[in-house]
Amino acid sequence: AQKVTQAQTEISVVEKEDVTLDCVYETRDTTYYLFWYKQPPSGELVFLIRRNSFDEQNEISGRYSWNFQKSTSSFNFTITASQVVDSAVYFCALSYSGAGSYQLTFGKGTKLSVIP
Amino acid sequence: KAGVTQTPRYLIKTRGQQVTLSCSPISGHRSVSWYQQTPGQGLQFLFEYFSETQRNKGNFPGRFSGRQFSNSRSEMNVSTLELGDSALYLCASSTREVGYNSPLHFGNGTRLTVT
Repeated sequence: AQKVTQAQTEISVVEKEDVTLDCVYETRDTTYYLFWYKQPPSGELVFLIRRNSFDEQNEISGRYSWNFQKSTSSFNFTITASQVVDSAVYFCALSYSGAGSYQLTFGKGTKLSVIP
Repeated sequence: KAGVTQTPRYLIKTRGQQVTLSCSPISGHRSVSWYQQTPGQGLQFLFEYFSETQRNKGNFPGRFSGRQFSNSRSEMNVSTLELGDSALYLCASSTREVGYNSPLHFGNGTRLTVT
């Protein structure tokens, strides 16, 4: 069975601070994909990044960076110099293919509040 | 390119009624998935359609059903509504051309309230 754990339910930081959102996953698949999504108050889930299980290179995109460590089954997300617009709920997700389909298993999410 | 469009945005229904939610995927996307989001259970997979065929279904009762049309638009139906069906229902589309690595693109959701 697949499982994604985001142990941090809520985090508050002051603007310009760095913040790391943790994600730990469980899967028996050897090939899988990990995702991060952002959900602002409007409700729409916004895709941020996709990483496959064979690519452990860290990735940086502007103020965002991701650290994928297969040895610890973690896929952590860091926001550098946080801004108020980063306030949202962030979800980590794992995909696998069951019965020829494609579905995501989501963590419970981490609510990030950036205080001006 | 227009994003995923869900209608209506808000819906209030009474217990026992049925409801139909609609989703128009991004142009060219043939896969449509539905997710239910509640404060207690989080985001849970309902079902996925690809080329008008249901590919998989999550662990939900038979009251939850869906379909996909030839233009890839999808509808989901919930019959005999219960209070616990109150949730944000999210639709997502993807190209799904290369297996399960294509990201899902979500709509704004339909907020269903059952009274």
